[in-house]
Amino acid sequence: AQSVTQLGSHVSVSEGALVLLRCNYSSSVPPYLFWYVQYPNQGLQLLLKYTSAATLVKGINGFEAEFKKSETSFHLTKPSAHMSDAAEYFCAVSNQAGTALIFGKGTTLSVSS
Amino acid sequence: NAGVMQNPRHLVRRRGQEARLRCSPMKGHSHVYWYRQLPEEGLKFMVYLQKENIIDESGMPKERFSAEFPKEGPSILRIQQVVRGDSAAYFCASSPDRGWNTEAFFGQGTRLTVV
Repeated sequence: AQSVTQLGSHVSVSEGALVLLRCNYSSSVPPYLFWYVQYPNQGLQLLLKYTSAATLVKGINGFEAEFKKSETSFHLTKPSAHMSDAAEYFCAVSNQAGTALIFGKGTTLSVSS
Repeated sequence: NAGVMQNPRHLVRRRGQEARLRCSPMKGHSHVYWYRQLPEEGLKFMVYLQKENIIDESGMPKERFSAEFPKEGPSILRIQQVVRGDSAAYFCASSPDRGWNTEAFFGQGTRLTVV
């Protein structure tokens, strides 16, 4: 069965610092992997997705993620944090049937000036 | 092109009442997904519908919950005889096709509070 584990429920960084949000997955089939961002009282917005093309995936707002099969990881990074990046971030993997996304519990990113 | 529209944004129901949550997918999208988000939790899949058909309801509670996506009109998630544990944010997403090569767009959610 597919599952996702996000390490660290809260991550705090200073403005301009590197952002690293961790995600490990378990999947019995080649996975489709996603990162979504949720701002307070808003829906989810897709940041990027991995669908078995390039292992380094570039997304919106300067975020990128690298698929590492050997480590079963799909960590999200951004070289320089901005105050507007403060939000909750969810990693997700598609289920085997392709009918649903299985989400991690989320990581709240705080950015301080 | 308007995004996925959910209404109401906030809904308060007393225990035992019915809650109806509506989702209008993006124009041209015939696939709808419902998810529930409990406090401090990620989103949990509930049901996947295509026009007039339930494709996957593996995440739906066996009792009190139902969903439909009629030929005309929005998708409806219906919760009968609500209990306090039903308090959560309910999100709808839509996509033009099945499969995850296409992006699913999420609505802003309906926040249900049961008092």
